[in-house]
Amino acid sequence: EPEVTQTPSHQVTQMGQEVILRCVPISNHLYFYWYRQILGQKVEFLVSFYNNEISEKSEIFDDQFSVERPDGSNFTLKIRSTKLEDSAMYFCASRGTRKNTEAFFGQGTRLTVV
Amino acid sequence: AQRVTQPEKLLSVFKGAPVELKCNYSYSGSPELFWYVQYSRQRLQLLLRHISRESIKGFTADLNKGETSFHLKKPFAQEEDSAMYYCALSGNSGGSNYKLTFGKGTLLTVNP
Repeated sequence: EPEVTQTPSHQVTQMGQEVILRCVPISNHLYFYWYRQILGQKVEFLVSFYNNEISEKSEIFDDQFSVERPDGSNFTLKIRSTKLEDSAMYFCASRGTRKNTEAFFGQGTRLTVV
Repeated sequence: AQRVTQPEKLLSVFKGAPVELKCNYSYSGSPELFWYVQYSRQRLQLLLRHISRESIKGFTADLNKGETSFHLKKPFAQEEDSAMYYCALSGNSGGSNYKLTFGKGTLLTVNP
C-alpha cells in the first residue's frame, strides 16, 4: 500500500540554523500539506500546496517558513532560522483528488531545536 | 472559523465496556468530519469519515448537525483499541484546500 514517507525521522539542530524537512507524498496525489504538533498540544495546520503553489497558510507559517516541490516528487518544508519554539513533530500529508478528501499522513519528523 | 473540541484528554475503560469519545465542532458551512487514530509509535491514520457511514474496527460515528457533534462509539472496547484518537474537520474555505482542523485528541486506554 502506498505511503507518505518523511525524512529524517528525528532532527536536532542549533537555534538559528536552517533545516529542511523532506516528504515524499503518494505518487498520484495532487494536494500536499504540512502540519505540526508541539509536545502536548494539538496537531496544527501550517500550509497547503496545490498546483505548484501555496493555496493556504496559517498564522504560524511566517517568513521563516517556505515549502517547495523541487523535482515533482519531493515536498520540502524549510525553516530558515530555527527558534526554540519550532521544536515539534512535523507531519506531511497528501491527498488525491478534490472529491476524495481523505488525507494520508507521513510518520512525522521530530525536530528538536537546542 | 473552524474549531474542534474534544473535551476528554484521557479516557480509561475496561475491556468489553462501551466507549464513547466526544467531539464537538464549529463551522459555518457544511463540514466533513473525520476520526483519525494514532497507535503507539505509528502515524496518524484515518479511522472513519462521516460521509461513508461505515463501521471500522467496530467503531461508528454519527454526525449530529443539530448538536454539532461527531462522537465516536464502540459497544465493546478491546485492548488493541488503546491509542490516541483525533477528531478532525475539513471545510472548503473558499477554495479546494480542505485543510484539516484537529481537536486536541483523547488518549483511550483499554484495561484488561
